[in-house]
Parts: sequence; structure tokens; C-alpha cells
Amino acid sequence: AQKITQTQPGMFVQEKEAVTLDCTYDTSDPSYGLFWYKQPSSGEMIFLIYQGSYDQQNATEGRYSLNFQKARKSANLVISASQLGDSAMYFCAMRGSFSNDYKLSFGAGTTVTVRA
Amino acid sequence: NAGVTQTPKFQVLKTGQSMTLQCAQDMNHEYMSWYRQDPGMGLRLIHYSVGAGITDQGEVPNGYNVSRSTTEDFPLRLLSAAPSQTSVYFCASSYSTGTGTNEQYFGPGTRLTVT
Repeated sequence: AQKITQTQPGMFVQEKEAVTLDCTYDTSDPSYGLFWYKQPSSGEMIFLIYQGSYDQQNATEGRYSLNFQKARKSANLVISASQLGDSAMYFCAMRGSFSNDYKLSFGAGTTVTVRA
Repeated sequence: NAGVTQTPKFQVLKTGQSMTLQCAQDMNHEYMSWYRQDPGMGLRLIHYSVGAGITDQGEVPNGYNVSRSTTEDFPLRLLSAAPSQTSVYFCASSYSTGTGTNEQYFGPGTRLTVT
């Protein structure tokens, strides 16, 4: 069974500063993928970034980067130079090995509020 | 491309009523799934399908039925609505090839209230 834990229910960050959102996971699958999604107040789910368990480098997408520490089973999201539009709920999710039907397991989410 | 579409956007049901939430995608994705989102619990998988004619249960399947007669459509049926099914429902789809990101694309959601 897969489990995703996000221990920060809510965070405040000052505009233009960086923020790190924690995500730890538990799985017995030898191969897996980790995802981060953003859910603004409008409700849609927006894909941000992906990290494969065998990827050699940490994933980056613009202002988003993933601090992947495989031995510690953590996949923290770093948002650099925060903007007011980054205020949203952020979900960490994991997909098991490719034989596992592509099911996603989600964490409970972290609400980020960016202050001007 | 319209991506993943869901109808209706909002629905209010009385306990015991039945209804179908519609989901369609135009990206030729093999994999489709239904999630429900409740406060403080993230998204939980209800049912999923890896192709037309193939469906399976997720984490919270009780009270819901699905079918997949075409690649494009994946409706979710509530058989006899209960207040515990008050939630936001998301449909998602993705490719099911064995490599790459294969992120799931989500529909806009259906907000369901059961009174």
C-alpha cells in the first residue's frame, strides 16, 4: 500500500520569498513516480512537477523544484520567488510501478497563502 | 482539445435519489478515474478504468458504479445517494504507456450535495 503524508496544513509566505512544502511517502514498489498538483480557489487541479524514482536529478519546472531524497522517502516542493497567484492548496501524490494501473495516492494537502 | 469535461458542475440530491455524473475526454487516453475530495483528506480514488470494457475499484467504491463502453466516456453512477456522498468529484485521465510523466489531467469537478 502507498501512503503520502503532508504534515503542514497551512503556511504563510511573504511575496518574493521561497517556500518549501513537505511530502513524505511510503511504498514497497521498487519504481514509482511523485507528482505535485496545485488547486487554486477556483477548484481545478493543475499539474506542476513530476519526479521518477530512478531519475538522477531533481526535477525543476520554472519556479518549482522538487527536493527528492529517496533514502528519506521525501519529495518536498520548493516554490521560489513566491507570487500572489501561488496562493492555493498543494497536493503531493504518488503513483506506483507501471504495472500498478496508474492509480494516484494523494496527501491531505497544504494550503499556501502568499502575503503582499 | 476540450481536455476532460464533467457535467454537471453543481448538483443537489435528496437522500435515496440516483444520478449519473458524466465525464468525457478527447485526448484518446486509455486510463480514466474518479476521485472524491473531502476537506482534510485529499483526493481518494473511487473507481478507475484502464480501457474500454475494463473497470476496477479504488479506495472508496461503495455506493458508486462505473462502466466504460467507449474510450472517451467514463460515467459515475450514484445508486442511492447518502449525505456521506456530499463531496467534490473529479474525473481524470492519462495515457497508460509505461514510461514518462503520464500526468493525470483533471476535469473541473462536480460539487455534489446530498440532503
